[in-house]
Amino acid sequence: QQPVQSPQAVILREGEDAVINCSSSKALYSVHWYRQKHGEAPVFLMILLKGGEQKGHDKISASFNEKKQQSSLYLTASQLSYSGTYFCGTPEDSGYALNFGKGTSLLVTP
Amino acid sequence: DTGVSQNPRHKITKRGQNVTFRCDPISEHNRLYWYRQTLGQGPEFLTYFQNEAQLEKSRLLSDRFSAERPKGSFSTLEIQRTEQGDSAMYLCASSLLGDPRTDTQYFGPGTRLTVL
Repeated sequence: QQPVQSPQAVILREGEDAVINCSSSKALYSVHWYRQKHGEAPVFLMILLKGGEQKGHDKISASFNEKKQQSSLYLTASQLSYSGTYFCGTPEDSGYALNFGKGTSLLVTP
Repeated sequence: DTGVSQNPRHKITKRGQNVTFRCDPISEHNRLYWYRQTLGQGPEFLTYFQNEAQLEKSRLLSDRFSAERPKGSFSTLEIQRTEQGDSAMYLCASSLLGDPRTDTQYFGPGTRLTVL
């Protein structure tokens, strides 16, 4: 089942903060976050694991609330390079495939 | 460490033609995935290999789609008798052989297919 992301789009000025949310209707084992720039591959940002462990980016933080079945990505002091579409992915029950949300488009302006 | 590579990057074809895309995963990665991405959507899972074994292919969109990974290294995705609805970005990803729920999938740059 596809996770639901919000907001769909956000525009920031450089230096401002943003939060992107990802929620699921089923229990989550992990949440995978990616950023994709237009015409490029999705780039891995971080994985949040059940139990609180995080693996990934050192300038972007995230939270994972297992009970609420949701994750949030925190972009602080945004830079122009943060612009792109952010996707969260959650593993299917089988484990190997990721179900991705529709993405959140982030534009950081000077 | 070279990343996942895909060829060609762009393919324009006429309806009814067959197309084949290639994916070279990160060298030590045993798992290889194919996804499709249409405009405004996240990647949609198609199929998955562990070494040379195709462990999931029920999600291929129709019997016109097939994938191979003959020696457990590179993989090909073929679409026969292409239709305009096949126009999309086709992404390949690879990962290590750990817990698939927690291993990072690294994506290639994709092949953009346009069917005229």
